[in-house]
Amino acid sequence: SQTIHQWPATLVQPVGSPLSLECTVEGTSNPNLYWYRQAAGRGLQLLFYSVGIGQISSEVPQNLSASRPQDRQFILSSKKLLLSDSGFYLCAWSVPGHRYAEAFFGQGTRLTVV
Amino acid sequence: ELKVEQNPLFLSMQEGKNYTIYCNYSTTSDRLYWYRQDPGKSLESLFVLLSNGAVKQEGRLMASLDTKARLSTLHITAAVHDLSATYFCAVDGRRGGSNYKLTFGKGTLLTVNP
Repeated sequence: SQTIHQWPATLVQPVGSPLSLECTVEGTSNPNLYWYRQAAGRGLQLLFYSVGIGQISSEVPQNLSASRPQDRQFILSSKKLLLSDSGFYLCAWSVPGHRYAEAFFGQGTRLTVV
Repeated sequence: ELKVEQNPLFLSMQEGKNYTIYCNYSTTSDRLYWYRQDPGKSLESLFVLLSNGAVKQEGRLMASLDTKARLSTLHITAAVHDLSATYFCAVDGRRGGSNYKLTFGKGTLLTVNP
């Protein structure tokens, strides 16, 4: 069966420090991968999605970036964190071309920038 | 731009009562999803609705889709405390193809009181 791993679960970082969040998917090949952010415990905003290695689409301009160095690995990064980057970050995957195209979410990383 | 509106955003109900959460979306879409989020947790998929008139039920929850009205409903029957959570609807913003992006509503925070 497929599983998604996301770490760390919680993170407290000072303003201006770098960020690296990692997500890996097991049990499937060539998944679509996504990074979402949820601010203030409410709606989700799509940040990046990827349909293959090295293929990244950005939905919202910001000081974050994403990379997909391997088929089932998705990384969210920042060179210098802002206070506004605080939030709950969720990685998700889906099967390309599947009839349902359902997104399955990781457990999330709660980031607090201080 | 695809917009997804949920109402109500906050719902406090008594155990044993029935209620409906509404999800309206602005453009034609292939798929509609309902997710549940417990406090501090990730999102759990509840339903995937693919076609006009689709109805799916799981326990005390029933979801339906009217693509002509661009409306989905999540009906709660005889609510119990365990149903307390935030419920999100999400719409696939792309027609066809092998990729998709989900646009989420702001969520409905459901509190079921004894």
